[in-house]
Amino acid sequence: AQSVTQLGSHVSVSEGALVLLRCNYSSSVPPYLFWYVQYPNQGLQLLLKYTSAATLVKGINGFEAEFKKSETSFHLTKPSAHMSDAAEYFCAVKDTGGFKTIFGAGTRLFVKA
Amino acid sequence: EADIYQTPRYLVIGTGKKITLECSQTMGHDKMYWYQQDPGMELHLIHYSYGVNSTEKGDLSSESTVSRIRTEHFPLTLESARPSHTSQYLCASSESQGAVYGYTFGSGTRLTVV
Repeated sequence: AQSVTQLGSHVSVSEGALVLLRCNYSSSVPPYLFWYVQYPNQGLQLLLKYTSAATLVKGINGFEAEFKKSETSFHLTKPSAHMSDAAEYFCAVKDTGGFKTIFGAGTRLFVKA
Repeated sequence: EADIYQTPRYLVIGTGKKITLECSQTMGHDKMYWYQQDPGMELHLIHYSYGVNSTEKGDLSSESTVSRIRTEHFPLTLESARPSHTSQYLCASSESQGAVYGYTFGSGTRLTVV
């Protein structure tokens, strides 16, 4: 069965510092992987996705994620945090042959001035 | 502008009332979904639809029902609201063919049952 684990329900960084949000998944077949961002009082917005092309995926707002099959990970990074990055981030997995997308519990990112 | 709309954004209602949460999308997507979101927890799929006249229950047991009479419209109904239904409800849609595009989400309806 598919599952997604996001390590750390809260992450705090200083403005300008590296952002690293961790995601590990389990899937019996090659998966599609996604990161979504949710700002307060809004729905989720797709940041980036991995669909078996390049293992390093670039998304919007300067974020990127690397698919590592050996580690079953899909961590999200951004070299320099901005105050506007403060939000909740969700990792998600979908089996290539399946229908449902499974979401993690989310990681709330705080950015300190 | 192509988008997905949910109304109302916020709703406070008494126990036992019937309510319908509206969801409409203008992108022509075949697949639509309803998720329930509670703080600190995974999003739980409660209903989904492959297209017109197709509806399925998701992983989370829910006392709600849905209908899909038109491609663009996917309302969720609670016949008798209870305090345990208090949550945020997110509607989403996705393309059916081609590469995996991910989901487009609405802004959500925050429901409080008192």
